[in-house]
Amino acid sequence: GEDVEQSLFLSVREGDSSVINCTYTDSSSTYLYWYKQEPGAGLQLLTYIFSNMDMKQDQRLTVLLNKKDKHLSLRIADTQTGDSAIYFCADAEGNFNKFYFGSGTKLNVKP
Amino acid sequence: DAMVIQNPRYQVTQFGKPVTLSCSQTLNHNVMYWYQQKSSQAPKLLFHYYDKDFNNEADTPDNFQSRRPNTSFCFLDIRSPGLGDAAMYLCATSRGGRASGSDTQYFGPGTRLTVL
Repeated sequence: GEDVEQSLFLSVREGDSSVINCTYTDSSSTYLYWYKQEPGAGLQLLTYIFSNMDMKQDQRLTVLLNKKDKHLSLRIADTQTGDSAIYFCADAEGNFNKFYFGSGTKLNVKP
Repeated sequence: DAMVIQNPRYQVTQFGKPVTLSCSQTLNHNVMYWYQQKSSQAPKLLFHYYDKDFNNEADTPDNFQSRRPNTSFCFLDIRSPGLGDAAMYLCATSRGGRASGSDTQYFGPGTRLTVL
């Protein structure tokens, strides 16, 4: 099966940029997603990128995709305390609607 | 407006006592999923329905069953909950991208199950 890996923790100061990284193994991935999970809540879709794109920007969020290295990153500009959460990347398998999730990166934003 | 609704948000059951978790959606999506998420772990797919077609993951225990009586509702039945089944259970939906590729999954808020 597909392996999706993320670092477990990231700590930044309020106002700094955060960069959360993800690697995946499936070269046939079509879409890659970022989800945010706050304590005790479900997963909230943040953004996604199609595999033929290198970059996607959405307000404070920038997604970079290096398909050659199978590396995905999420940059959050001007990180706020409300951004503290666990961030999951997910790789969608072909056309079968099956998602493979990374283990999640816990972002801690210090005031 | 809530799009994927899960009830209840918190469920307490006793060891071995059957429990049912429910999910409903207002998106008219074809696909509904059930995930199990344990603390500090990634969501683990248990099964999904594409319309009425049930797709079980190979490693989902027989103790877990699902029903989808109509497009809007999907239920997760745990026949004999064990202590190891305590987790957050997440329901998700997607439009269904079999022809055009995978598509976005939208998650409900989850039901946290406690087994005493």
